[in-house]
Amino acid sequence: DTGVSQDPRHKITKRGQNVTFRCDPISEHNRLYWYRQTLGQGPEFLTYFQNEAQLEKSRLLSDRFSAERPKGSFSTLEIQRTEQGDSAMYLCASSSGTSGSSGQETQYFGPGTRLLVL
Amino acid sequence: GESVGLHLPTLSVQEGDNSIINCAYSNSASDYFIWYKQESGKGPQFIIDIRSNMDKRQGQRVTVLLNKTVKHLSLQIAATQPGDSAVYFCAESHQAGTALIFGKGTTLSVSS
Repeated sequence: DTGVSQDPRHKITKRGQNVTFRCDPISEHNRLYWYRQTLGQGPEFLTYFQNEAQLEKSRLLSDRFSAERPKGSFSTLEIQRTEQGDSAMYLCASSSGTSGSSGQETQYFGPGTRLLVL
Repeated sequence: GESVGLHLPTLSVQEGDNSIINCAYSNSASDYFIWYKQESGKGPQFIIDIRSNMDKRQGQRVTVLLNKTVKHLSLQIAATQPGDSAVYFCAESHQAGTALIFGKGTTLSVSS
């Protein structure tokens, strides 16, 4: 399967613990995005990478959240000191990076990581 | 079908019927629009996209219509099948932006 992959698919943790999610984009896609989706809502943008550079962060991304893409391929999203309000589906998407603007490219989504904070 | 501009959170159709799902967008600067299908427990799956220099685009069994005057987008699914049952989201973006802005989803239920 050459689509976007995410790991783990499900994560249950206790409040206050740290969690880390991984995303592997479509091969050779330069642009990578993280979104969060709560039940019954559409995905909301968190952050965006072009290659290894994190170019944009949403106000939704609190100080407890950090994302990296060290080699411009896979990315990790870490949540420190998790809270019950962090429970959501965390989606990763990638796009080719061949267009001059990311706003003009199709974003392909992975299956998501569903986080439950107890 | 539904009235232009009216978003319905749910739509129930019979197998074989045509489905029309509506979406209103808010940003006049948006110039790229995408429809995604999301099945339970899965990530959004790309269906079809359209740029603002077009008003209609057809795919396999799907057609997207764009009305920039009233900022309205619709997805038409021909001969709807049970496998089409899912939540459908429209999303918009613009050249100067990065994030996709998702609209309210519509849950499509197809009965045999």
